[in-house]
Amino acid sequence: GENVEQHPSTLSVQEGDSAVIKCTYSDSASNYFPWYKQELGKGPQLIIDIRSNVGEKKDQRIAVTLNKTAKHFSLHITETQPEDSAVYFCATERGADGLTFGKGTHLIIQP
Amino acid sequence: DTGVSQDPRHKITKRGQNVTFRCDPISEHNRLYWYRQTLGQGPEFLTYFQNEAQLEKSRLLSDRFSAERPKGSFSTLEIQRTEQGDSAMYLCASSPVTEAFFGQGTRLTVV
Repeated sequence: GENVEQHPSTLSVQEGDSAVIKCTYSDSASNYFPWYKQELGKGPQLIIDIRSNVGEKKDQRIAVTLNKTAKHFSLHITETQPEDSAVYFCATERGADGLTFGKGTHLIIQP
Repeated sequence: DTGVSQDPRHKITKRGQNVTFRCDPISEHNRLYWYRQTLGQGPEFLTYFQNEAQLEKSRLLSDRFSAERPKGSFSTLEIQRTEQGDSAMYLCASSPVTEAFFGQGTRLTVV
């Protein structure tokens, strides 16, 4: 089955700096790659996603890049703000088989 | 609020008891998913429905777990003879096609 590795497990950045979270996956048939933000006691919230026919997607301060050959994708957050502090999860999906998640990155924004 | 709704938000039960959780998806979404999330981990896929048909159930954790979606609207997840290892957050998500939107989850504690 699919295996998704996510790094780092914890990331601390100064407010205003950029944050980058990276994921690798094993199943070359995966074709959908979403990122979720989860705050304490809440369900995951979809923040951005990318499909296998696209290399990069941007939405305001958030961007995702995908390298299908290398089987890795990354989340980039620019101009970080205190409200960006949360746990971020990458995930993959093949068809409609359900999402396979990474173990999460705890992002800490230092004031 | 037209998001995914889960009930109850919290459940404490004694080992050996049966529990049932309910999920109301976003109304126009025909796909409904159940996931389990343990502390410090990403959500783990359990099962999913397309309308009332359960298309994947091989990843339910044991035969003590079952799910239904009788009329293609709300869904229930039942755990029979609960064990302490069942303590976790149970998440429901719904999807129109690919993007999955999660509810706030039901936190189960087995004592």
